Amino acid sequence: GQQLNQSPQSMFIQEGEDVSMNCTSSSIFNTWLWYKQDPGEGPVLLIALYKAGELTSNGRLTAQFGITRKDSFLNISASIPSDVGIYFCAGQTQGGSEKLVFGKGMKLTVNP
Amino acid sequence: NAGVMQNPRHLVRRRGQEARLRCSPMKGHSHVYWYRQLPEEGLKFMVYLQKENIIDESGMPKERFSAEFPKEGPSILRIQQVVRGDSAAYFCASSPGQGRRETQYFGPGTRLLVL
Repeated sequence: GQQLNQSPQSMFIQEGEDVSMNCTSSSIFNTWLWYKQDPGEGPVLLIALYKAGELTSNGRLTAQFGITRKDSFLNISASIPSDVGIYFCAGQTQGGSEKLVFGKGMKLTVNP
Repeated sequence: NAGVMQNPRHLVRRRGQEARLRCSPMKGHSHVYWYRQLPEEGLKFMVYLQKENIIDESGMPKERFSAEFPKEGPSILRIQQVVRGDSAAYFCASSPGQGRRETQYFGPGTRLLVL
């Protein structure tokens, strides 16, 4: 089945630092999404990307849809303590109403 | 506008019992998806339903698992004769079902523990 390789698996950073994470796939996706999950909660959508090459920002978050449609990255700038959590990438092959394929997640710890 | 509701939030069952997980989609949403998350893992798709129809069940185990989304009421994920390996967090998501750029909104999940 389809798999997403997400890296790194975890990061420990100081408050104020920037952090980058990425996802790669062996197959093409037409939609890339980035979610954040807090302990005991469900994933919350951060950014959605619909076109190859698209670069989208949401506050301190910036994400890009790779030109090959097989990868995406997420940057968080000037991290704050509430950024801690697990970040997941997810892809859809067709877009629209279709199952999401998730990466394994990147656990972020921010030291104040 | 209430989000996706799931209940119970935590469920403990003994091996061999049945587990019933409920999901009420966001108001106005007609598409429901179920995902399973094992510890330290990402979410894995199980089933996609519209009202009274199963659209994609490619992620559902062949035995003991079933899902429905009736005309009235919540979507139900049923696990019969639970085993320890069924212990996981089960998430429901919903989407409007109106266009190509659909966002799936997730509920808080049900944590199932099988003793």
